Amino acid sequence: EAQVTQNPRYLITVTGKKLTVTCSQNMNHEYMSWYRQDPGLGLRQIYYSMNVEVTDKGDVPEGYKVSRKEKRNFPLILESPSPNQTSLYFCASSLNPRKETQYFGPGTRLLVL
Amino acid sequence: AQSVTQPDIHITVSEGASLELRCNYSYGATPYLFWYVQSPGQGLQLLLKYFSGDTLVQGIKGFEAEFKRSQSSFNLRKPSVHWSDAAEYFCAASSGGSYIPTFGRGTSLIVHP
Repeated sequence: EAQVTQNPRYLITVTGKKLTVTCSQNMNHEYMSWYRQDPGLGLRQIYYSMNVEVTDKGDVPEGYKVSRKEKRNFPLILESPSPNQTSLYFCASSLNPRKETQYFGPGTRLLVL
Repeated sequence: AQSVTQPDIHITVSEGASLELRCNYSYGATPYLFWYVQSPGQGLQLLLKYFSGDTLVQGIKGFEAEFKRSQSSFNLRKPSVHWSDAAEYFCAASSGGSYIPTFGRGTSLIVHP
């Protein structure tokens, strides 16, 4: 089954404690992306990757890091989380985001205390 | 600047009534246009997309959308809403100059029995 998986689905952490949210897709997509969703603000892109070892900032990259060492995986790293990073995070992948469907993971709900 | 606007934050309809969700875009050229649905607790799923040709596009779950160049709009419609249609709906657009799609802020659909 074609899918994007994210782990964990729910996470409660404290300010400053490094965390990683994993994302994996099984569709051999070159493009992958991370979004955060906040009430009233819709989806905002954090980082995206056009291919292995190619990443670029989205609209709200501050406080986040990503890496793309393998085609299927695109982890999101919060090296020193802060309460304003409490949000719902989505990973997505696509063959071609301009004209093809983006496939979204189920989301990771993060609470930073 | 390129943008996607969903003017309605919330829409409430009765089950069985017709539905229209609005989406306006601001792009130099006709963009690629998408509608996604986010059911509670889930990731986004593509409903339909438009690139060119017939301006009335059919999607999944009985949804359709009409592209109107003169109004820069791509409104989503359904003739008879079901309670299971209650969800968040996102319009998105991309163009030749922007490889990465821009999402609107979303419209929350509430369905009354």
